[in-house]
Amino acid sequence: SSELTQDPAVSVALGQTVRITCQGDSLRNYYGSWYQQKPRQAPVLVMYGKNKRPPGIPDRFSGSNSGNTTSLTITGAQAEDEADYYCNSRDSSGKGVFGTGTKVTVL
Amino acid sequence: QVHLEESGGGVVQPGRSLRLSCAASGFTFSTYGMHWVRQAPGKGLEWVTIISYDGNNKYYADSVKGRFTISRDNSKNTLYLQLNSLRAEDTAVYYCARDLNGYVPDYYFDFWGQGTLVTVSS
Repeated sequence: SSELTQDPAVSVALGQTVRITCQGDSLRNYYGSWYQQKPRQAPVLVMYGKNKRPPGIPDRFSGSNSGNTTSLTITGAQAEDEADYYCNSRDSSGKGVFGTGTKVTVL
Repeated sequence: QVHLEESGGGVVQPGRSLRLSCAASGFTFSTYGMHWVRQAPGKGLEWVTIISYDGNNKYYADSVKGRFTISRDNSKNTLYLQLNSLRAEDTAVYYCARDLNGYVPDYYFDFWGQGTLVTVSS
């Protein structure tokens, strides 16, 4: 199966740390990536590959990978981090797949 | 700077067709794989299709295979998506996105357009 599963919602207090996880068989063979999407905006790449951050993404975002799981951690969450987060990967047949999405609320 | 701009969305009846375009600028379009991703209203992201930098390799999600066709014109820096036999469940914002890794796609989408809305309704 190429499905990717995420927790639907998590909350974090301002300045605290939150970890979002994504599980799926394809992650055993391919590194995933993470996208932040705010309302009425296009997604933004925040993490990819072996824990790489694109230019302009704050270093409070970090990633990790183990087995069939990839994780995105926000250390010292800010109000502007409140958004939906999606993981993504691919399968061996060339198809892409997105996770189910996690809504992050910063309290 | 990299810029992607989709166009061609609109309201269409079930069973009809539509062609979306994605105009690219600010990078060497002919050296990057490109994707289409869609998002139904209030729902999550769904990967739709990819085309290699030279147009020779294409892959599709099962939900659109046989109905949608991706293509590109590298001389015009433009990506296309032909949508045929449209269904209500194809209603979504359609985004084009660049694959970060150039010639060999890794399915990391580093630049996105703002999307174009396709509504399938009678």
